[in-house]
Amino acid sequence: AQSVSQHNHHVILSEAASLELGCNYSYGGTVNLFWYVQYPGQHLQLLLKYFSGDPLVKGIKGFEAEFIKSKFSFNLRKPSVQWSDTAEYFCAVNYGGATNKLIFGTGTLLAVQP
Amino acid sequence: DTGVSQNPRHKITKRGQNVTFRCDPISEHNRLYWYRQTLGQGPEFLTYFQNEAQLEKSRLLSDRFSAERPKGSFSTLEIQRTEQGDSAMYLCASEVRAGANVLTFGAGSRLTVL
Repeated sequence: AQSVSQHNHHVILSEAASLELGCNYSYGGTVNLFWYVQYPGQHLQLLLKYFSGDPLVKGIKGFEAEFIKSKFSFNLRKPSVQWSDTAEYFCAVNYGGATNKLIFGTGTLLAVQP
Repeated sequence: DTGVSQNPRHKITKRGQNVTFRCDPISEHNRLYWYRQTLGQGPEFLTYFQNEAQLEKSRLLSDRFSAERPKGSFSTLEIQRTEQGDSAMYLCASEVRAGANVLTFGAGSRLTVL
Protein backbone atom coordinates (compact mmCIF):
# COMPACT_ATOMS: atom_id res chain seq x y z
CA ALA A 1 0.00 0.00 0.00
CA GLN A 2 1.11 3.55 -0.61
CA SER A 3 2.38 4.99 2.63
CA VAL A 4 4.75 7.52 4.13
CA SER A 5 6.82 6.91 7.24
CA GLN A 6 8.25 9.48 9.55
CA HIS A 7 10.28 7.71 12.16
CA ASN A 8 10.90 10.62 14.51
CA HIS A 9 7.68 11.51 16.27
CA HIS A 10 9.10 14.00 18.71
CA VAL A 11 12.45 15.78 18.49
CA ILE A 12 13.91 18.20 21.01
CA LEU A 13 16.91 20.31 20.05
CA SER A 14 18.77 23.27 21.40
CA GLU A 15 19.13 26.37 19.28
CA ALA A 16 21.96 26.18 16.73
CA ALA A 17 21.83 22.39 16.64
CA SER A 18 21.53 20.68 13.29
CA LEU A 19 18.30 19.02 12.27
CA GLU A 20 17.55 16.00 10.16
CA LEU A 21 14.06 14.53 9.98
CA GLY A 22 13.55 11.24 8.22
CA CYS A 23 10.91 10.45 5.64
CA ASN A 24 10.51 7.23 3.69
CA TYR A 25 7.88 6.30 1.16
CA SER A 26 6.72 2.93 -0.02
CA TYR A 27 6.42 3.15 -3.80
CA GLY A 28 9.13 2.68 -6.36
CA GLY A 29 7.75 4.66 -9.26
CA THR A 30 7.72 8.33 -10.02
CA VAL A 31 6.67 10.40 -7.04
CA ASN A 32 6.41 14.03 -6.08
CA LEU A 33 7.62 14.79 -2.59
CA PHE A 34 6.77 17.54 -0.15
CA TRP A 35 7.48 18.81 3.31
CA TYR A 36 4.79 20.85 5.01
CA VAL A 37 5.13 22.69 8.30
CA GLN A 38 2.50 23.65 10.84
CA TYR A 39 3.53 26.30 13.34
CA PRO A 40 1.59 26.44 16.62
CA GLY A 41 -1.91 27.72 15.96
CA GLN A 42 -1.35 28.12 12.24
CA HIS A 43 -2.32 26.32 9.06
CA LEU A 44 -0.25 23.85 7.09
CA GLN A 45 2.29 25.60 4.90
CA LEU A 46 4.49 24.27 2.14
CA LEU A 47 8.15 24.19 3.15
CA LEU A 48 9.61 22.68 0.00
CA LYS A 49 8.87 20.26 -2.81
CA TYR A 50 10.63 17.94 -5.20
CA PHE A 51 9.26 17.06 -8.63
CA SER A 52 12.35 16.26 -10.68
CA GLY A 53 15.90 17.38 -11.40
CA ASP A 54 18.46 18.19 -8.71
CA PRO A 55 17.70 15.84 -5.81
CA LEU A 56 18.80 18.47 -3.30
CA VAL A 57 16.03 21.01 -2.98
CA LYS A 58 16.02 24.18 -0.97
CA GLY A 59 12.97 25.60 0.70
CA ILE A 60 12.03 28.52 2.84
CA LYS A 61 13.72 29.52 6.09
CA GLY A 62 16.98 27.70 5.35
CA PHE A 63 15.49 24.22 5.07
CA GLU A 64 16.59 21.73 2.46
CA ALA A 65 15.76 18.15 1.62
CA GLU A 66 17.49 15.43 -0.33
CA PHE A 67 15.71 12.90 -2.49
CA ILE A 68 17.50 9.55 -2.52
CA LYS A 69 15.63 7.32 -4.92
CA SER A 70 17.51 4.14 -4.00
CA LYS A 71 16.49 4.57 -0.37
CA PHE A 72 12.95 5.85 -1.05
CA SER A 73 13.82 8.71 1.25
CA PHE A 74 13.31 12.46 1.36
CA ASN A 75 14.93 13.69 4.55
CA LEU A 76 14.58 17.25 5.74
CA ARG A 77 17.62 19.12 7.02
CA LYS A 78 18.59 22.43 8.51
CA PRO A 79 22.15 23.17 9.63
CA SER A 80 21.23 25.41 12.56
CA VAL A 81 17.74 25.53 14.05
CA GLN A 82 16.14 28.49 15.75
CA TRP A 83 13.50 28.67 18.46
CA SER A 84 11.05 29.87 15.78
CA ASP A 85 11.41 26.52 14.00
CA THR A 86 9.35 24.90 16.75
CA ALA A 87 6.52 23.31 14.80
CA GLU A 88 5.14 20.06 13.47
CA TYR A 89 6.67 18.85 10.22
CA PHE A 90 4.85 16.60 7.78
CA CYS A 91 6.31 14.71 4.88
CA ALA A 92 3.86 14.09 2.04
CA VAL A 93 3.99 12.12 -1.19
CA ASN A 94 2.00 12.28 -4.38
CA TYR A 95 2.12 8.82 -5.89
CA GLY A 96 0.64 10.02 -9.15
CA GLY A 97 -2.61 9.20 -10.83
CA ALA A 98 -5.46 11.48 -11.63
CA THR A 99 -6.21 12.93 -8.23
CA ASN A 100 -2.90 14.42 -7.17
CA LYS A 101 -3.92 13.59 -3.62
CA LEU A 102 -1.20 13.70 -1.03
CA ILE A 103 -0.40 10.91 1.38
CA PHE A 104 0.94 12.39 4.60
CA GLY A 105 3.20 10.94 7.24
CA THR A 106 2.21 11.10 10.88
CA GLY A 107 4.33 14.17 11.50
CA THR A 108 7.32 15.08 13.63
CA LEU A 109 6.90 17.51 16.46
CA LEU A 110 10.05 19.62 16.79
CA ALA A 111 10.69 21.60 19.94
CA VAL A 112 13.66 23.95 19.88
CA GLN A 113 14.86 25.08 23.27
CA PRO A 114 16.40 28.55 23.50
CA ASP B 1 -4.74 34.25 5.96
CA THR B 2 -3.95 31.58 3.36
CA GLY B 3 -6.65 32.62 0.93
CA VAL B 4 -8.57 29.41 1.66
CA SER B 5 -11.31 30.23 4.13
CA GLN B 6 -13.04 27.68 6.33
CA ASN B 7 -16.08 28.14 8.56
CA PRO B 8 -16.83 27.59 11.30
CA ARG B 9 -13.39 27.33 12.87
CA HIS B 10 -14.73 25.38 15.81
CA LYS B 11 -17.89 23.33 16.23
CA ILE B 12 -18.99 21.48 19.33
CA THR B 13 -21.98 19.23 18.89
CA LYS B 14 -23.76 16.38 20.58
CA ARG B 15 -23.60 12.89 19.21
CA GLY B 16 -26.31 12.30 16.65
CA GLN B 17 -26.52 15.87 15.42
CA ASN B 18 -25.70 16.98 11.88
CA VAL B 19 -22.93 19.45 11.15
CA THR B 20 -21.86 21.29 8.02
CA PHE B 21 -18.53 22.89 7.21
CA ARG B 22 -17.88 25.36 4.46
CA CYS B 23 -14.74 25.99 2.45
CA ASP B 24 -14.10 28.95 0.17
CA PRO B 25 -11.01 28.23 -1.93
CA ILE B 26 -8.78 30.72 -3.67
CA SER B 27 -10.97 32.04 -6.45
CA GLU B 28 -8.98 30.90 -9.46
CA HIS B 29 -8.29 27.43 -8.06
CA ASN B 30 -10.37 24.77 -9.77
CA ARG B 31 -9.43 21.78 -7.60
CA LEU B 32 -10.63 21.50 -4.02
CA TYR B 33 -9.71 18.82 -1.50
CA TRP B 34 -11.02 17.80 1.91
CA TYR B 35 -8.75 16.14 4.45
CA ARG B 36 -9.26 15.03 8.03
CA GLN B 37 -6.63 15.25 10.73
CA THR B 38 -6.83 13.60 14.13
CA LEU B 39 -4.48 14.08 17.04
CA GLY B 40 -1.07 12.58 16.40
CA GLN B 41 -1.78 11.84 12.78
CA GLY B 42 -1.11 13.50 9.49
CA PRO B 43 -3.94 14.72 7.31
CA GLU B 44 -5.92 11.94 5.60
CA PHE B 45 -7.52 12.44 2.19
CA LEU B 46 -11.32 12.39 2.15
CA THR B 47 -12.45 13.63 -1.25
CA TYR B 48 -11.73 16.09 -4.03
CA PHE B 49 -13.53 18.16 -6.65
CA GLN B 50 -12.50 19.45 -10.00
CA ASN B 51 -14.80 22.39 -10.51
CA GLU B 52 -18.23 21.04 -9.47
CA ALA B 53 -17.46 17.38 -10.13
CA GLN B 54 -16.59 15.14 -7.20
CA LEU B 55 -13.99 12.85 -8.75
CA GLU B 56 -12.80 10.68 -5.89
CA LYS B 57 -13.94 9.68 -2.43
CA SER B 58 -11.86 7.89 0.16
CA ARG B 59 -13.12 4.81 1.95
CA LEU B 60 -12.86 6.96 5.07
CA LEU B 61 -15.88 8.86 3.80
CA SER B 62 -18.77 6.80 5.14
CA ASP B 63 -22.32 7.29 3.91
CA ARG B 64 -22.88 9.74 6.77
CA PHE B 65 -20.52 12.14 5.03
CA SER B 66 -21.46 14.14 1.98
CA ALA B 67 -19.58 16.85 0.17
CA GLU B 68 -20.75 19.23 -2.50
CA ARG B 69 -19.34 21.99 -4.64
CA PRO B 70 -22.46 23.13 -6.45
CA LYS B 71 -21.12 25.92 -8.62
CA GLY B 72 -17.48 25.01 -8.67
CA SER B 73 -16.64 27.67 -6.13
CA PHE B 74 -17.23 27.04 -2.41
CA SER B 75 -17.69 23.55 -1.02
CA THR B 76 -19.58 22.10 1.92
CA LEU B 77 -18.87 18.97 3.92
CA GLU B 78 -21.83 17.62 5.88
CA ILE B 79 -21.65 14.96 8.54
CA GLN B 80 -24.96 13.39 9.52
CA ARG B 81 -25.63 11.63 12.81
CA THR B 82 -22.25 12.55 14.22
CA GLU B 83 -20.30 10.08 16.30
CA GLN B 84 -17.52 10.70 18.80
CA GLY B 85 -15.07 9.21 16.33
CA ASP B 86 -15.82 12.06 13.93
CA SER B 87 -14.04 14.48 16.27
CA ALA B 88 -11.16 15.84 14.21
CA MET B 89 -9.84 18.81 12.32
CA TYR B 90 -11.38 19.02 8.85
CA LEU B 91 -9.03 20.66 6.40
CA CYS B 92 -9.80 22.12 3.02
CA ALA B 93 -7.15 22.72 0.39
CA SER B 94 -7.21 24.08 -3.12
CA GLU B 95 -4.94 23.65 -6.11
CA VAL B 96 -4.59 26.23 -8.83
CA ARG B 97 -5.10 23.71 -11.66
CA ALA B 98 -4.92 20.00 -12.24
CA GLY B 99 -1.32 18.93 -12.21
CA ALA B 100 0.04 21.99 -10.47
CA ASN B 101 0.63 19.70 -7.55
CA VAL B 102 0.82 22.29 -4.82
CA LEU B 103 -2.00 22.52 -2.30
CA THR B 104 -2.86 25.60 -0.29
CA PHE B 105 -4.54 24.65 2.96
CA GLY B 106 -7.07 26.53 5.02
CA ALA B 107 -6.87 26.86 8.77
CA GLY B 108 -9.33 24.02 9.29
CA SER B 109 -12.60 23.44 11.09
CA ARG B 110 -12.27 21.63 14.39
CA LEU B 111 -15.17 19.35 15.29
CA THR B 112 -15.76 18.08 18.79
CA VAL B 113 -18.55 15.55 19.25
CA LEU B 114 -19.68 15.10 22.84
